[in-house]
Amino acid sequence: RKEVEQDPGPFNVPEGATVAFNCTYSNSASQSFFWYRQDCRKEPKLLMSVYSSGNEDGRFTAQLNRASQYISLLIRDSKLSDSATYLCGTNSGYSTLTFGKGTMLLVSP
Amino acid sequence: DAGVIQSPRHEVTEMGQEVTLRCKPISGHNSLFWYRQTMMRGLELLIYFNNNVPIDDSGMPEDRFSAKMPNASFSTLKIQPSEPRDSAVYFCASSSPPPYEQYFGPGTRLTVT
Repeated sequence: RKEVEQDPGPFNVPEGATVAFNCTYSNSASQSFFWYRQDCRKEPKLLMSVYSSGNEDGRFTAQLNRASQYISLLIRDSKLSDSATYLCGTNSGYSTLTFGKGTMLLVSP
Repeated sequence: DAGVIQSPRHEVTEMGQEVTLRCKPISGHNSLFWYRQTMMRGLELLIYFNNNVPIDDSGMPEDRFSAKMPNASFSTLKIQPSEPRDSAVYFCASSSPPPYEQYFGPGTRLTVT
């Protein structure tokens, strides 16, 4: 089993839709969790950290389910500019992160 | 802060040539990471440094790859000799613990012909 797994997508949604992605991780000792956004031919950019209690930043909500070992990202009221690949990363020891391969989101007019 | 700086942004070279990629981490960050990203394999960690010391180089594909961090503000990743299968985007990232949020540079797009 891969350490971090994501559905590659693409998820095709219309503007204004709500969309959610999950990311499963295999290392039960993982302590820190992150969502990154990567635009085509650009570097991954930190979108948000994922806290145990869940956290929200505007239209974005991240949650952690330790029992089932997954994190989720919910995007409400999707914008065209949300089209990107979303990578999840987990801390598996010290300061290293292990990343999934990403989920592609395409928001259409 | 200027963020993580990488150079060159693009590199095209012939098989067998030496390639050197450069990275300047964010000031104050004490961990530096080199990644390689391809469509097939995604984002792979090659090596990481903590306080300029290499901690884990298990991701370095083979002896043709080497990395150094002579001081807190500079690191290099060298490929010698380069091969077509090394073609990828190479990212450098830095972080300061905790909670280990990493910030990526713009990457170097390497093409080996």
